[in-house]
Amino acid sequence: AAGVIQSPRHLIKEKRETATLKCYPIPRHDTVYWYQQGPGQDPQFLISFYEKMQSDKGSIPDRFSAQQFSDYHSELNMSSLELGDSALYFCASSLLTHEQYFGPGTRLTVT
Amino acid sequence: GENVEQHPSTLSVQEGDSAVIKCTYSDSASNYFPWYKQELGKRPQLIIDIRSNVGEKKDQRIAVTLNKTAKHFSLHITETQPEDSAVYFCAASKARPIVGGGNKLTFGTGTQLKVEL
Repeated sequence: AAGVIQSPRHLIKEKRETATLKCYPIPRHDTVYWYQQGPGQDPQFLISFYEKMQSDKGSIPDRFSAQQFSDYHSELNMSSLELGDSALYFCASSLLTHEQYFGPGTRLTVT
Repeated sequence: GENVEQHPSTLSVQEGDSAVIKCTYSDSASNYFPWYKQELGKRPQLIIDIRSNVGEKKDQRIAVTLNKTAKHFSLHITETQPEDSAVYFCAASKARPIVGGGNKLTFGTGTQLKVEL
């Protein structure tokens, strides 16, 4: 069965640079979620989209923005990167309010 | 907002024993409670979930119970095996039954389960 695809899998950036993370949801899933997971921590909800519209917003810094495109893929844009942004970034998708399935994650390292 | 507490933070059991992980939530409107298993550096994998209209759900060696009155739910793993070793996260959300509702997950802090031979 098709799963959530994320790219890139690993990303190394310097402070103050920008990064773009991509997510391709499971086919026919209409909702995409972004989570940030720091080392040894639980995933923290950032933002979600339903049918290309933002449906919910969590603890996402103003330096971050995201959108969902007509083909349902989503991108998380991160600017003015800080050392504290180093984390695993997961995308998950679901069909309406059903189960959320996570992608393999993007490991972002800011140096 | 929702707050989910999870205990214990670490749990060590002998192979074949049972393991129980407990979570409490604060928002009485939460109605969806999934459990995820996460191996180091990997994605969280959904292993079982329960909705608020059900008190218990089983899937082979895994079961989840929910007490809405007390606002707590538990994961039970029987006949544990070494491959069960991982971090387990509980989560809660308000799955809104409306178009476009979505259901952001609030996670517990995780339980590191170690199954020893």
